[in-house]
Amino acid sequence: EIVLTQSPGTLSLSPGERATLSCRASQSVSSSYLAWYQQKPGQAPRLLIYGASSRATGIPDKFSGSGSGTDFTLAISRLEPEDFAVYYCQQYGSFQWTFGQGTKVEIK
Amino acid sequence: EVQLVQSGAEVKKPGESLKISCKGSGYSFTSYLIGWVRQMPGKGLEWMGIIYPDDSDTRYSPSFQGQVTISADKSITTAYLQWSSLKASDTAMYYCVRRSATYYYFDYWGQGTLVTVSS
Repeated sequence: EIVLTQSPGTLSLSPGERATLSCRASQSVSSSYLAWYQQKPGQAPRLLIYGASSRATGIPDKFSGSGSGTDFTLAISRLEPEDFAVYYCQQYGSFQWTFGQGTKVEIK
Repeated sequence: EVQLVQSGAEVKKPGESLKISCKGSGYSFTSYLIGWVRQMPGKGLEWMGIIYPDDSDTRYSPSFQGQVTISADKSITTAYLQWSSLKASDTAMYYCVRRSATYYYFDYWGQGTLVTVSS
């Protein structure tokens, strides 16, 4: 089973700042099978990024994904109040899906 | 509009059985896999398993194999997650998800079903 490790666990930033979240896989992941989700309190997660770097429908371009192999990154430019949430990476391989443990982006 | 609508919150006692549901609409139900994701209180997301509604082919995470059963009734476009004997540790929010046609991500999520198991 591929394990995804996200860092940092919590990121404390001010509105207007840039956030950089990391997702590291225990073995190589196809970029096609790496996604990112955002979850706000009391809500279901929503898809942000798929295929490591493609934005889902309706997702603003302040969200960007990059990476390959075992190292992937989600960047959020110009944080706005609604961006403070928990972010999860997720991968697929051999009919198994796994999530990272999440990174909480909180207001500093 | 694609929708996954889940059944309501449940409060059960340890040892009881339970079946929760997820009704898909607004798309061809038999063309997309439906999965289940657990979120324990204050914790992260865990993929449990997935089913292809057209032929009921099902795969489970090793962590959940033998612990739950996933099924689907394509005639009423509904997927199910069931337990035969609940434990307190099954207390969690459960989401159904639709796997996209490509790239293997989950493009639509149900609203979640909160299951509370307490004596």
